[in-house]
Amino acid sequence: ELKVEQNPLFLSMQEGKNYTIYCNYSTTSDRLYWYRQDPGKSLESLFVLLSNGAVKQEGRLMASLDTKARLSTLHITAAVHDLSATYFCAVTPLNTGNQFYFGTGTSLTVIP
Amino acid sequence: KAGVTQTPRYLIKTRGQQVTLSCSPISGHRSVSWYQQTPGQGLQFLFEYFSETQRNKGNFPGRFSGRQFSNSRSEMNVSTLELGDSALYLCASGESYNSPLHFGNGTRLTVT
Repeated sequence: ELKVEQNPLFLSMQEGKNYTIYCNYSTTSDRLYWYRQDPGKSLESLFVLLSNGAVKQEGRLMASLDTKARLSTLHITAAVHDLSATYFCAVTPLNTGNQFYFGTGTSLTVIP
Repeated sequence: KAGVTQTPRYLIKTRGQQVTLSCSPISGHRSVSWYQQTPGQGLQFLFEYFSETQRNKGNFPGRFSGRQFSNSRSEMNVSTLELGDSALYLCASGESYNSPLHFGNGTRLTVT
């Protein structure tokens, strides 16, 4: 059974601090995605990682992918309150079209 | 471009009834996927359609079905509703193999 595990599940951090969310998956995949979901809202695409060693950055968020370790990280730099949300990673196994398997989600709360 | 549009936003149904949810993808997107989101199970893949053909199906009972029309619009049907079908149903469309899925705001289904 394909598993996508994120940790931590819950993260409370102070503004200005750095932290990393981890996403481990159990299948061979050539694509990994990060999404953000605000309460009561839909999912917003953050990053698309398509190759081993890929690194993408947008503002205070940076995502990376290690396909050999089947691990992706989402690093938060100098957190601000606006980053409070739930973050999901998702993988697509090879040759499955757009069948996304989502992680459990990490609920991030940034405290002023 | 307009985003993914789902209707209705909210539905309340009784056990045993059936329901149809509708989704209009982003113009030009031929891949449409459906996901169920619940607090206990997270985001789970239901099925994906591409050019009116079901390309992938998740591990859901046959009560869950869908279809895609020639204009890429999609519908999802759930028959003989059960209490456990209460969830947020998200539709997503994709432009190409490596592009991220773009999600609609979802339909919140409550089964009483």
